[in-house]
Amino acid sequence: NAGVTQTPKFQVLKTGQSMTLQCAQDMNHNSMYWYRQDPGMGLRLIYYSASEGTTDKGEVPNGYNVSRLNKREFSLRLESAAPSQTSVYFCASTGRGLSEQFFGPGTRLTVL
Amino acid sequence: GQQVMQIPQYQHVQEGEDFTTYCNSSTTLSNIQWYKQRPGGHPVFLIQLVKSGEVKKQKRLTFQFGEAKKNSSLHITATQTTDVGTYFCAGPSGTYKYIFGTGTRLKVLA
Repeated sequence: NAGVTQTPKFQVLKTGQSMTLQCAQDMNHNSMYWYRQDPGMGLRLIYYSASEGTTDKGEVPNGYNVSRLNKREFSLRLESAAPSQTSVYFCASTGRGLSEQFFGPGTRLTVL
Repeated sequence: GQQVMQIPQYQHVQEGEDFTTYCNSSTTLSNIQWYKQRPGGHPVFLIQLVKSGEVKKQKRLTFQFGEAKKNSSLHITATQTTDVGTYFCAGPSGTYKYIFGTGTRLKVLA
């Protein structure tokens, strides 16, 4: 099992460009999450999907959209990237409610 | 809103010294989780505590959940260079999501 996979690993964008970060899990988990990590700020939740077909905002949703494509895949889209969105993005999944979260390796995004 | 704070933000120790990080929540928690993130890596789950006053050990790591279920601690005995990384606590916020603490970055000097 690969666990949680994320693509791409690194990305550099110019201000105003758009892109989609992909996440997939092969553990048959119900819930999936997108976090961003900035120095000294810990992990902040952007969006989550409690189950297939549902998505909800987290702490910092502005400037992002998400799609729960199916049970395995949860994508994060930046429609018009801004330098403030330079960060490391982690996808995570969990099998049920408030249980252990499994994280992907992360995407390091730089917006110039 | 709900907040989860961790102290200290940074800690440098000599190899063999002990280390403790503290996690404090503004609200009572149903449970608390701890994660470790190695430099350049992703967070990895360590443990979940559920009961008031619970203490759990994993080799040199001791985790404690406060009696009021608003604070927690992680203590590492006799640190090793392999303990280097950032330690995060996380408390639930609602049914499906967690709030992470700001983390404590541990450096171990050989």
